[in-house]
Amino acid sequence: DIEMTQSPSSLSASVGDRVTITCRASQTINSHLNWYRQKAGEAPDLLIYAASSLQNGVPSRFSGSGSGTDFTLTISGLQVEDFATYYCQQSSSVPFSFGQGTQVEIK
Amino acid sequence: EMQLVESGGGLVQPGGSLKLSCAASDFSVSNNYMNWARQAPGKGLEWVSLIYSGGSTYYADSVKGRFTISRDNSKNTLYLQMDNLRPGDTAVYYCARGIPFYGMDVWGQGTTVTVSS
Repeated sequence: DIEMTQSPSSLSASVGDRVTITCRASQTINSHLNWYRQKAGEAPDLLIYAASSLQNGVPSRFSGSGSGTDFTLTISGLQVEDFATYYCQQSSSVPFSFGQGTQVEIK
Repeated sequence: EMQLVESGGGLVQPGGSLKLSCAASDFSVSNNYMNWARQAPGKGLEWVSLIYSGGSTYYADSVKGRFTISRDNSKNTLYLQMDNLRPGDTAVYYCARGIPFYGMDVWGQGTTVTVSS
């Protein structure tokens, strides 16, 4: 099974900040990496698929990069609605494991 | 608008059973790969199961042999039959549509399962 490890587990930031979250897979997953945002009390929303493709309707301040085992989610210009928890997930092979999450809090 | 609506959650005793439903709108569950994921209180997301359009099914090791995923094409509904439930199965259960290799793009609102005596 593929293990996904995110860092950091949490971070504090201010509105307008640039934020970077990393995700590492225990084995190569090519570009089969997705990012989700989960606001408190809500279901997750797909932000980025295939490592770097922006899901329809997602603001351009979100971007993703990486391939193989190392991936990055960047939020350029944090907005109030971005204070949430972010998860990476690999869709290379079953079981489709998630990272443990990164909580982005208001500084 | 594509939508998924879960139902069937509730309180059940350890060893009991529960069947979750997930009704889809504006797309066909039979033509997509459909997933169940869960989130224990205060914890992260855990993938649970999927059914491919061709009917193949897969499960997380934590539920294999106890949970069964299925669908009713005539009702455009996905199911998760959960047997021999354990306290560790307590979670919000989400259904989600998957795009092969491209993640889960439509999620339901979740239904809560509590396993407790």
